[in-house]
Amino acid sequence: AQSVTQLDSQVPVFEEAPVELRCNYSSSVSVYLFWYVQYPNQGLQLLLKYLSGSTLVKGINGFEAEFNKSQTSFHLRKPSVHISDTAEYFCAVSSYNTDKLIFGTGTRLQVFP
Amino acid sequence: EPEVTQTPSHQVTQMGQEVILRCVPISNHLYFYWYRQILGQKVEFLVSFYNNEISEKSEIFDDQFSVERPDGSNFTLKIRSTKLEDSAMYFCASTGTGDYEQYFGPGTRLTVT
Repeated sequence: AQSVTQLDSQVPVFEEAPVELRCNYSSSVSVYLFWYVQYPNQGLQLLLKYLSGSTLVKGINGFEAEFNKSQTSFHLRKPSVHISDTAEYFCAVSSYNTDKLIFGTGTRLQVFP
Repeated sequence: EPEVTQTPSHQVTQMGQEVILRCVPISNHLYFYWYRQILGQKVEFLVSFYNNEISEKSEIFDDQFSVERPDGSNFTLKIRSTKLEDSAMYFCASTGTGDYEQYFGPGTRLTVT
């Protein structure tokens, strides 16, 4: 069975500061990894995904994530956040033998001016 | 840009009533999903659907739930006899062949009173 852990339920940060949102996963098979963002009262939007190849993945809105197989992590980073990045961020995993997404509990990023 | 749409945006129903949540996936997609998110909790997989059959379902998806693709465009989730604990945001998603990204709709907020 697969699982995803997002240890930080909330991350407060000032505008223009860097941020890292942590994600660890557990799986007995090779995984595909995703970060989704949910703005208030909206659906889920894909930020980026790791399927294979380069472990550093760049996504939309200046976000990037690095797949670390030895640490079973897929942390999301942005070097300089904006007020508009305030949202809930979900890490998710699937694999070659199932296309269902298993989500973490989410991290609420709150950007202050 | 094509998008997944869902209707209604908000549905209020009484316990024991049947509800049908509707989704229009992206037109050339072949794989369809339902997820739910209870307020303040993580997004949970309910069911996946391909070639007019359920591919996979979770423990949540019991006999009270059913899915259908009644025509070439709609994908529906029916709850036969709603319970208070069915109150949640329900998300529909779709994906194309060979594409690992699931495109999510804006969700239907179901409130069971």
